[in-house]
Amino acid sequence: QKEVEQDPGPLSVPEGAIVSLNCTYSNSAFQYFMWYRQYSRKGPELLMYTYSSGNKEDGRFTAQVDKSSKYISLFIRDSQPSDSATYLCAMWGTHSGGSNYKLTFGKGTLLTVNP
Amino acid sequence: GAVVSQHPSRVICKSGTSVKIECRSLDFQATTMFWYRQFPKQSLMLMATSNEGSKATYEQGVEKDKFLINHASLTLSTLTVTSAHPEDSSFYICSAREGNEQFFGPGTRLTVL
Repeated sequence: QKEVEQDPGPLSVPEGAIVSLNCTYSNSAFQYFMWYRQYSRKGPELLMYTYSSGNKEDGRFTAQVDKSSKYISLFIRDSQPSDSATYLCAMWGTHSGGSNYKLTFGKGTLLTVNP
Repeated sequence: GAVVSQHPSRVICKSGTSVKIECRSLDFQATTMFWYRQFPKQSLMLMATSNEGSKATYEQGVEKDKFLINHASLTLSTLTVTSAHPEDSSFYICSAREGNEQFFGPGTRLTVL
């Protein structure tokens, strides 16, 4: 089982739709959770960072973390064509056998928002 | 959020030459920086962790003599691809952590002819 699982999609939605992106993870030592947006041929851009279970909102974006279920989500409200990108979940914490604090990524979900 | 820059953004070189990529944290100090490699339509693969003032820690399967990393200051890390070959062509991205958040540079696209 991979440490972080993310459905690669692709996901296609109409403009204005609510988008739900999800990741599951297996390592209970993960403590910090991030969502990145990556446009083609660009570096990942940090969208949301969360530490504890619960919700965090920033504009049209809401990040949810459920540590008991080892499940994180990113919701995008009123999606726009400019939101079309690959969304990567990532997390870090103590790895089993060591504390190297490496960021572990999901595979990324390719999102297309159609006008 | 914090800003990480990379230079150059794109480089084309001949096989056998060496290429240096710079990574800078612009508005914060980074004791640790990370170098990633990304192939088309794939996720980022960590190559090495760069620690200021000490040797880099390389991931399994990454040749340390081929990918030389120097973290000379708290705001600068460099990756040198030595004797580059076409199979080294890829998108190289650096990253730095500020607090508990990790920020990425814009990436460098390397093409080896």
